[in-house]
Amino acid sequence: DVKVTQSSRYLVKRTGEKVFLECVQDMDHENMFWYRQDPGLGLRLIYFSYDVKMKEKGDIPEGYSVSREKKERFSLILESASTNQTSMYLCASSLVAGADYGYTFGSGTRLTVV
Amino acid sequence: RKEVEQDPGPFNVPEGATVAFNCTYSNSASQSFFWYRQDCRKEPKLLMSVYSSGNEDGRFTAQLNRASQYISLLIRDSKLSDSATYLCVENRMDSSYKLIFGSGTRLLVRP
Repeated sequence: DVKVTQSSRYLVKRTGEKVFLECVQDMDHENMFWYRQDPGLGLRLIYFSYDVKMKEKGDIPEGYSVSREKKERFSLILESASTNQTSMYLCASSLVAGADYGYTFGSGTRLTVV
Repeated sequence: RKEVEQDPGPFNVPEGATVAFNCTYSNSASQSFFWYRQDCRKEPKLLMSVYSSGNEDGRFTAQLNRASQYISLLIRDSKLSDSATYLCVENRMDSSYKLIFGSGTRLLVRP
């Protein structure tokens, strides 16, 4: 089975801090995604990547950046954390973008910004 | 209007009941969908794919109605362990190749 590992289950950070969320997948998948999930809003796509050093903005990229230096690792960066970035962050990967196999998700990082 | 819309529920049903959820989508060109299951405070996990021919897996049946632009998930003989949130997902097979997630329908199965 594909495994997608997110480095932290729970994080508490202060407003203004730079925050790094790490995601690693072990099945040589081309495509990786970062979502946030909030009650009533569902999953919203922040950034995605189809290849090393490649990134595309999703629906809500403001306040975030990403890095993909190696195929297996996709990092989400909150440049200056704010309280409205308190959320559940989910990383996902897929062999082929969106296609018949869906995505495999990591277990999520629940970030609280105080 | 949201691209993928679901009734948030909760649907509260007794064990053994049959329950059905619908999900509507706005992109008439879409032909491929998924149902994901998400347990409380856990990640979404793929339940099944849905194409024009529908899909059945044990107690779960998914159908696609392209004319009315909705997909459905039917769960027969509900178990306590079916309690979860069910996410309807559109496979937007355009140049973006993104999955579009609904907000989910919550199911509670009571003893």
